[in-house]
Amino acid sequence: QVQLQESGPGLVKPSETLSLTCTVSGYSISSGYYWGWIRQPPGKGLEWIGTIYRSGTTYYNPSLKSRVTISLDTSKNQFSLKLSSVTATDTAVYYCARGFFYEKIDSWGQGTLVTVSS
Amino acid sequence: QSALTQPASVSGSPGQSITIACTGTSSDVGGYNYVSWYQQHPGKAPKLMIFDVDNRPSGVSNRFSGSKSGNTASLTISGLQAEDEADYYCSSYGSGTTAVFGGGTKVTVL
Repeated sequence: QVQLQESGPGLVKPSETLSLTCTVSGYSISSGYYWGWIRQPPGKGLEWIGTIYRSGTTYYNPSLKSRVTISLDTSKNQFSLKLSSVTATDTAVYYCARGFFYEKIDSWGQGTLVTVSS
Repeated sequence: QSALTQPASVSGSPGQSITIACTGTSSDVGGYNYVSWYQQHPGKAPKLMIFDVDNRPSGVSNRFSGSKSGNTASLTISGLQAEDEADYYCSSYGSGTTAVFGGGTKVTVL
């Protein structure tokens, strides 16, 4: 059974870069599926951030595209998120997940709260 | 890319049926049969309940069903139970290889 686990700092200063890593177990990310990130501000709904395929091709939410980078590390079976120039509005629970677009998101990480504050 | 539109809240008594609508455009819900529904309990990660408009993953109760007409998808929960009280989100594939979620609906079991 595939499992995903987010890791990274829980507190980031305004204007800095938020960096998170998702470690996948039980499935090789180089075998298939789209992998990506979704966030949820406190008390609000889900927002798609971006997605990466095993080939390394990336797809980003147009509203975040200028600040987002998603990358793969197949040797570690991980993928990562970088979000630059963060502000308080980027405070959210960040989830990594498997299965986007014509696939179904069938596996989620537990989520990690990232707070943007000085 | 705008969020899909869902009612903020829906409520029902135990045993009743409720339906949650999810309205998009011809560039997402109306254009593709890739609509999914997720259930989220407080403090938990979302759980897949319906995929590809009307398909249930194994292990999901058959009290949950999905449908679509034009630009609007719907999730119906029949035989409402206390454990169904949660937030529900729809999601769709969108043109330009994007994904979009609805704003979420809080289901209350009276």
